[in-house]
Formats: sequence, structure tokens, C-alpha cells
Amino acid sequence: RKEVEQDPGPFNVPEGATVAFNCTYSNSASQSFFWYRQDCRKEPKLLMSVYSSGNEDGRFTAQLNRASQYISLLIRDSKLSDSATYLCVVNRGSNQGGKLIFGQGTELSVKP
Amino acid sequence: DAGVIQSPRHEVTEMGQEVTLRCKPISGHNSLFWYRQTMMRGLELLIYFNNNVPIDDSGMPEDRFSAKMPNASFSTLKIQPSEPRDSAVYFCASSLFQGVRPPLHFGNGTRLTVT
Repeated sequence: RKEVEQDPGPFNVPEGATVAFNCTYSNSASQSFFWYRQDCRKEPKLLMSVYSSGNEDGRFTAQLNRASQYISLLIRDSKLSDSATYLCVVNRGSNQGGKLIFGQGTELSVKP
Repeated sequence: DAGVIQSPRHEVTEMGQEVTLRCKPISGHNSLFWYRQTMMRGLELLIYFNNNVPIDDSGMPEDRFSAKMPNASFSTLKIQPSEPRDSAVYFCASSLFQGVRPPLHFGNGTRLTVT
């Protein structure tokens, strides 16, 4: 089992749709959680951190369920510019902060 | 603000040659990570440093790979000898670690092709 698992997609949705991505992680001791987005042939960029109480940034909402070791990302009113790969990221280990482990990513394609 | 700077952007080399990838982290950051990305395996962590000290190099594939961080503003990843299976995009990322692992800021990456 991979440490961080995501549905690879692709998710093909029309503009304006709401889309949700899920991610599961295996290390119950993880403390830091993030969503990154990566455009084709570019570097990953931080989309948002994920907090225990859930958090929202505009059209984006992230949720964390520690008991189920599950993270989600909800995108409302999707735009063409949201087309990208979304990476779930979890830290592992406590040795000086541990290391950040990336999921394989979920590809999103928003169509007109 | 200058981000993480990597060089070269592209590297094409022949099997058996030595390859050196370079990274300048964001000024003031004290953690530096090296990742490798391929279609098959995604983003894999190779090694990370805190305060210029290697903390975990368990992701380094084999002895052909080595990484150094001689000071807070420079790191290198060396492959010697290179092999075609090393072809990938290599990313360097940095952050300011203050007790809890924060998100990373990535460089543009080095696209390595070994023929």
C-alpha cells in the first residue's frame, strides 16, 4: 500500500461544476497536510494547507479526517484555469520535522 | 522575491557521464529537499537537509547518487555514472522549518535526459 493514495483520474468536468478529490494516508502520526497543484511541465505549487477543523480559500475547501486518515479537496464553480494535477501531501516521521510525501496526483480537466 | 533557483534547466548527457544539478534555496530557509519526478513513480523524495545537515537520505536510489549542502545557500545533487533510467525531472525545494514541517517552495526543476 502506498503511503499517500489518490485516485489518478482524470476527472473531466464542465465549467461551473463542483468536483471533489480524495486522498488517504497510512501514517497515523502525520501532522502536516497540504494540497499542491502542478501544471503540465511545471513545478508543484502550494494550493493550501489542510487544518484539522477544515479550511476554505475562496472556491477551495479542504477537510481532514484523522480517524479515517483521509483528506479531501472540494473545488466549487470550477474554471478552465483549474485544469491541472492536484497532489496530496503528507509528512512522515518526526526527525526534525519529517519529510513530505506526495501522492501520485489527481488530474483534473475542466471543459468549456 | 527570488524563489528557489535550479540549474541547469535541461541536461542531456550520455550514459556513464557525471551529472551535477545545482540548487540555491530561498534566502533564510533552513530546510532543503531534493525530489525526482517520473510519470511512472511520481514525485519521490531523494534526500533532505536541515541547517545544511543531511537528515534522511533513504530515498537516494544507490551509491551513484550523492548530495551535498556546503552552506545555507547552495546544494548539489550528483549522479556518477549516469544511466538512462535516471532520466527524470529533478526538483529542489526549500522551507523555513521552525518545529512543524511547513509547505515547500519548489524550483523550476532540471529535466535530465540520459541517452
